[in-house]
Amino acid sequence: DQQVKQNSPSLSVQEGRISILNCDYTNSMFDYFLWYKKYPPEGPTFLISISSIKDKNEDGRFTVFLNKSAKHLSLHIVPSQPGDSAVYFCAATFSGNTGKLIFGQGTTLQVKP
Amino acid sequence: DAGVIQSPRHEVTEMGQEVTLRCKPISGHDYLFWYRQTMMRGLELLIYFNNNVPIDDSGMPEDRFSAKMPNASFSTLKIQPSEPRDSAVYFCASSLALPPQETQYFGPGTRLLVL
Repeated sequence: DQQVKQNSPSLSVQEGRISILNCDYTNSMFDYFLWYKKYPPEGPTFLISISSIKDKNEDGRFTVFLNKSAKHLSLHIVPSQPGDSAVYFCAATFSGNTGKLIFGQGTTLQVKP
Repeated sequence: DAGVIQSPRHEVTEMGQEVTLRCKPISGHDYLFWYRQTMMRGLELLIYFNNNVPIDDSGMPEDRFSAKMPNASFSTLKIQPSEPRDSAVYFCASSLALPPQETQYFGPGTRLLVL
């Protein structure tokens, strides 16, 4: 029972264009969402997050959008750079200190020069 | 700080053998997490510790899996006996507090292959 789903295993975009990575969740109790980035062979590193009281959070070239009614969030990277090529995981949690980050399966982004 | 350290980085073993994965968290972090990554399910939390005490082990798949944290700077995840379906990448992470209050920092992972 996957509560957080990333339905696109991979995405390929041209350098300079926009990359859009999608994530869906099923549990309406989630109130905080995060994106992690993973370069092989390293572990995931935190990228950006958003609270459910917001619908957008921006950090430089990275913007996360949250649509609570659709239980959907997306990560936009503009403009995409070859160095952005990595695996991106979305994660959801409850702000009530449960300790659990529920991750999706990950999407591999390739940005072509 | 060197970050979260995991060893070994790669492990190949035969079905039925005991496997021990090791983790050294970032100094001063009170929380330690063990995750497993597979293609189908992504990253799954197996267990986490607070001040060396296991708090939530509901993600541990079977009794074949066990985890310990004998002190603040060391944790192990043991699989006994190992099975081919245990093949995955196992990550250790640490943080100052629980998410989302504090960021989790991940180690590089141990890639396990059980033949």
